Amino acid sequence: GAGVSQSPSNKVTEKGKDVELRCDPISGHTALYWYRQSLGQGLEFLIYFQGNSAPDKSGLPSDRFSAERTGGSVSTLTIQRTQQEDSAVYLCASSTQGADTQYFGPGTRLTVL
Amino acid sequence: AQSVAQPEDQVNVAEGNPLTVKCTYSVSGNPYLFWYVQYPNRGLQFLLKYITGDNLVKGSYGFEAEFNKSQTSFHLKKPSALVSDSALYFCAVRGTFSGGYNKLIFGAGTRLAVHP
Repeated sequence: GAGVSQSPSNKVTEKGKDVELRCDPISGHTALYWYRQSLGQGLEFLIYFQGNSAPDKSGLPSDRFSAERTGGSVSTLTIQRTQQEDSAVYLCASSTQGADTQYFGPGTRLTVL
Repeated sequence: AQSVAQPEDQVNVAEGNPLTVKCTYSVSGNPYLFWYVQYPNRGLQFLLKYITGDNLVKGSYGFEAEFNKSQTSFHLKKPSALVSDSALYFCAVRGTFSGGYNKLIFGAGTRLAVHP
């Protein structure tokens, strides 16, 4: 079946612009996660959604970062006023409720000039 | 605090030889441990996990990992390496209830290079 999909695959933006990254989880998966992979920081957790519960935002690095999950499916990660240090690969993952295995999408490579 | 250590930045092995990629962890309570592999310009692919039960866990592509509670280790192994196994490997532990139960905490990654 279809895996986790993310769009765009690559995004180049100028410092100060806003960007939106999209994630489509595996059908039927109720849990959705965002991670960031960068050279300096490795793989970091950003945010977690589970059904209609309040999201766990404990990993968001600043208030410029926000995420939504509409209808319990698609999620959008928004970065406002991008900075060069936001350059990274943003990975989305999903899992079934209560399951432990997270399945990852191919990622969006963000470059801030 | 929970953490995962992968002490080797890179592991080099000849094709056909056994390989080991090391991982140690620090977490309170019983750990949930995972290995993922990342090929160039790709996302993470799940290889295997340890939740409970047998200490030797078998996963995809002929990989296995051994959970050792006394040494707090979860080393990834394969009896005979293939050139196509060359990739970046990540060990991860699931966070504990107080520290974020649903997030994965990753090691820094180990690059595996298998030479013909």
